[in-house]
Amino acid sequence: EAGVAQSPRYKIIEKRQSVAFWCNPISGHATLYWYQQILGQGPKLLIQFQNNGVVDDSQLPKDRFSAERLKGVDSTLKIQPAKLEDSAVYLCASSWGAGANVLTFGAGSRLTVL
Amino acid sequence: GQQLNQSPQSMFIQEGEDVSMNCTSSSIFNTWLWYKQDPGEGPVLLIALYKAGELTSNGRLTAQFGITRKDSFLNISASIPSDVGIYFCAGDQHAGNNRKLIWGLGTSLAVNP
Repeated sequence: EAGVAQSPRYKIIEKRQSVAFWCNPISGHATLYWYQQILGQGPKLLIQFQNNGVVDDSQLPKDRFSAERLKGVDSTLKIQPAKLEDSAVYLCASSWGAGANVLTFGAGSRLTVL
Repeated sequence: GQQLNQSPQSMFIQEGEDVSMNCTSSSIFNTWLWYKQDPGEGPVLLIALYKAGELTSNGRLTAQFGITRKDSFLNISASIPSDVGIYFCAGDQHAGNNRKLIWGLGTSLAVNP
């Protein structure tokens, strides 16, 4: 089966600019996650979707980060305006359901904010 | 937020050696997962453990779910160069839907051929 697709793989922007990342999960996976991974750390959950509804966005900095999964399939994560500390890899993952804890990750989108 | 204590932070070993790493927590978990992350890639699941005391193997990898449910370890036997990467443990505390994984900070493994 095709894996979790993410784009772009790399993005360099200046602070205060905006950026958007796209994710297409494994076909049939109802649950989609966005994680932030700062260099040297483990993944940190930003937001979890079950179909097109938000299950958990408690760690999403809502003043600058937003995410949507309008049709319950692919998803977009946006940062506006970006800060230096947003430099990280943004990982998208999916699972067959919210009760499943085995996640399949995409390759990630590496963001550098200058 | 809550994180797992994963050790060692990094390891540098010779090819052929065995490797052991562990994860501990003050909290009880219902599931332990071990992932490997190669440079420039997302984490890939190695082993999933669902029951206290469970010992599971995947090729040269063996992982155990601690009987106290507060720890887990991963062993790699006869290491090879492609074992290089960062190994993460993740624990799941919830028994129902809407589970949240708690992640360790990773163990970075380097293998000298």
